[in-house]
Amino acid sequence: DAKTTQPPSMDCAEGRAANLPCNHSTISGNEYVYWYRQIHSQGPQYIIHGLKNNETNEMASLIITEDRKSSTLILPHATLRDTAVYYCIVRSPTNTGNQFYFGTGTSLTVIP
Amino acid sequence: KAGVTQTPRYLIKTRGQQVTLSCSPISGHRSVSWYQQTPGQGLQFLFEYFSETQRNKGNFPGRFSGRQFSNSRSEMNVSTLELGDSALYLCASSLADITEAFFGQGTRLTVV
Repeated sequence: DAKTTQPPSMDCAEGRAANLPCNHSTISGNEYVYWYRQIHSQGPQYIIHGLKNNETNEMASLIITEDRKSSTLILPHATLRDTAVYYCIVRSPTNTGNQFYFGTGTSLTVIP
Repeated sequence: KAGVTQTPRYLIKTRGQQVTLSCSPISGHRSVSWYQQTPGQGLQFLFEYFSETQRNKGNFPGRFSGRQFSNSRSEMNVSTLELGDSALYLCASSLADITEAFFGQGTRLTVV
């Protein structure tokens, strides 16, 4: 699985869009990008994943650059409950199994 | 539908004892993975079971073991507990390969 790089922390004003970047410059063509978040002492929560195309669901949007070397998770209207650690993970479908390798993530603080 | 259920939520054990943690996956999910989370090491993959077989194992000593039953419920066991085993133990279930994983709330183990 390709390695990811994320900023250690970010702030965002409540009601504004939170844009969380992730660098995965060594990603392979068949590797997926996943995003999870973890609110203090709870289990990680799945947010979204994608391969090449941009994806959107009820929680967030995932924008993947054309060369796939980086991506951005967008929370369109951040609320205080979005304060959490956000993990960007790259996974290869050639790996048997469903293990996820979490890095250190980005600690997002939503400010009132 | 019901999420991933982990029991117990909290546990205090003494050094040298053993402990068994339980995980009930989402109905229909056949893959169950286990993770250890500590402040120093972050989230680390322990092992994954699929259809009662261990498919992958992380870099943990043999004191950590697990199993999966025919109904997909899983247990993990830690023998000869050490202080460093104090952690949040998380279980995740997946429907199939390369799909998103859904995490339980975890079991907080404290070894004294």
